[in-house]
Amino acid sequence: EVQLVESGGGLVQPGGSLRLSCIASGFTFSSYAMSWVRQAPGKGLEWVSAIAGDGFNTYYADSVKGRFSISRDNSKNALYLQMNSLRAEDTAVYYCAKRVGIWFDYWGQGTLVTVSS
Amino acid sequence: SYVLTQPPSVSVAPGKTATISCGGNDIGSKSVNWYQQKPGQAPVLVIDYDSDRPSGIPERFSGSNSGNTATLTIGRVDAGDEADYYCQVWDSSSNHPVFGGGTQLTVL
Repeated sequence: EVQLVESGGGLVQPGGSLRLSCIASGFTFSSYAMSWVRQAPGKGLEWVSAIAGDGFNTYYADSVKGRFSISRDNSKNALYLQMNSLRAEDTAVYYCAKRVGIWFDYWGQGTLVTVSS
Repeated sequence: SYVLTQPPSVSVAPGKTATISCGGNDIGSKSVNWYQQKPGQAPVLVIDYDSDRPSGIPERFSGSNSGNTATLTIGRVDAGDEADYYCQVWDSSSNHPVFGGGTQLTVL
């Protein structure tokens, strides 16, 4: 059974940093690209970042480029999102998602990030 | 970047058929995926490659895609289908996925 479990969310002040983690199980983690997708309160889904299975290629939405950094440790089946210079508009539930082809077949339960003073 | 347009809400009576549209420029040339998201839960893939159902998704869910509109159709709707539905494509120009704004399905 595929499982994706996010952690690391919380309350942070504007300008602060936070590191999210996603631990995967039930599939060969290194064989799949992974993404972070967020959802602001009451809003729709927004893709944030992606990383190839081998970790060499990374991609970012314009809204987070230069502030967020995605990485993975295939030996630990772990996906990370380092978030710096956080803004109020980054407040959202952050989901990690497993990508197959051009869609996401499994999602974690999400972790809430709140940026507020 | 590529824009997907969905109606904010759709209402349907129990037992009837719900149709949710997803508009985009020449979307028929792209593959469209659909997700269902119930309150407080993560999204679930219900249709991929325009019309394929992942394992475990009821046959009542179907999809089509042509021209500038993709459509998710849910037959014999019941209260358990109440959710937000999102369409998604891969934008080859920016090399990342794009989601529609979502449609809230209400079962009357």
